[in-house]
Amino acid sequence: AQSVTQPDIHITVSEGASLELRCNYSYGATPYLFWYVQSPGQGLQLLLKYFSGDTLVQGIKGFEAEFKRSQSSFNLRKPSVHWSDAAEYFCAVVALLKGQNFVFGPGTRLSVLP
Amino acid sequence: GAVVSQHPSWVICKSGTSVKIECRSLDFQATTMFWYRQFPKQSLMLMATSNEGSKATYEQGVEKDKFLINHASLTLSTLTVTSAHPEDSSFYICSARDVRKENIQYFGAGTRLSVL
Repeated sequence: AQSVTQPDIHITVSEGASLELRCNYSYGATPYLFWYVQSPGQGLQLLLKYFSGDTLVQGIKGFEAEFKRSQSSFNLRKPSVHWSDAAEYFCAVVALLKGQNFVFGPGTRLSVLP
Repeated sequence: GAVVSQHPSWVICKSGTSVKIECRSLDFQATTMFWYRQFPKQSLMLMATSNEGSKATYEQGVEKDKFLINHASLTLSTLTVTSAHPEDSSFYICSARDVRKENIQYFGAGTRLSVL
């Protein structure tokens, strides 16, 4: 069964600093990979996704993520963090089979210092 | 982008009453919708998969009679928490899978349920 780990429970960065959130997955083949963001008391918003092709994917709000098959990783990055980026970030995996459900990582909470 | 509307956003009820939560896909058809539960500062836990026109598939440990799911149309699924108790207090989130984009789920804004 596939699983997703996000090693960092909580990260604090200063506004304007760069950001990298880690995500590792366990699956026998290449899965579909997603990053979602959740603001307090809100649902989830899709930031970006990887299905195939270019391993560096661009998302909304200036985020990007890079799929590295050799490391089973799909880390999320942003060159310059804004205060409004403070939220919970979830990495998710779905197997490349019809009807497979999402498996979410435990989440990483991002705090941004002014 | 695709929009999923979830209603109500917050509900407070007395112990023993039932609460219905609606999940609607506003601009796409969703043969499959999902219901998640999220405890404070934790990730989402899939409760059940709701398929239009058929019975929902519940995850292990989720009580079918406690959490009734109905998916009567391609744009609406409902979750009814029956005889709610304080331990059912949680944040419930639905998502819908666009039939044209099978592996993308669009999420509702969530419903915070508080049972007194």
